[in-house]
Amino acid sequence: DTGVSQDPRHKITKRGQNVTFRCDPISEHNRLYWYRQTLGQGPEFLTYFQNEAQLEKSRLLSDRFSAERPKGSFSTLEIQRTEQGDSAMYLCASSLPTGTRTDTQYFGPGTRLTVL
Amino acid sequence: AQTVTQSQPEMSVQEAETVTLSCTYDTSENNYYLFWYKQPPSRQMILVIRQEAYKQQNATENRFSVNFQKAAKSFSLKISDSQLGDTAMYFCAFFYTGTASKLTFGTGTRLQVTL
Repeated sequence: DTGVSQDPRHKITKRGQNVTFRCDPISEHNRLYWYRQTLGQGPEFLTYFQNEAQLEKSRLLSDRFSAERPKGSFSTLEIQRTEQGDSAMYLCASSLPTGTRTDTQYFGPGTRLTVL
Repeated sequence: AQTVTQSQPEMSVQEAETVTLSCTYDTSENNYYLFWYKQPPSRQMILVIRQEAYKQQNATENRFSVNFQKAAKSFSLKISDSQLGDTAMYFCAFFYTGTASKLTFGTGTRLQVTL
């Protein structure tokens, strides 16, 4: 079990640029989640996949945000036309289906985005 | 919608002492899980302890234990024999099994363990 990995760990971009983040979940986990965490706050849910299907999206996920999980393994989160308000830590988590002890969500190290 | 409240923004405890972090939540649901996660400075979020709402017995994991009061919607974390490595942000989180999706987090408590 290598844990959840995220790439890059840090990203600095200029306002208006597009950015893409990648998340690799724990290999046997079929559920994958994206959260956003701003300074001094708890993580806020963005979206959730079960296998390749995106099952829920938060109202926080504006039209500039898109997430994919094309083969049910890794996922990407893209932000188009970045704004300074997008500066945050983007966290990925994965889990097995609800109903067993292993449905607990395990988090990656996050990608810290700074928009100048 | 569920909400999670952590009313202690910061706490401090001396090494080897015991500290309790508070968490309350609001929900109309009956089947859910509650979690405490720890986020050390510049490091990733890790699970500390988990409690199933249908279980009356309080969860324990080594030095960490919870006091789960379902009727009062309270879920406090007790850390015994505090260690310097316990210094971190601690987040209380709620997970409703019906939607099977998001965790709802509180705003966190910053715990500092001192010598």
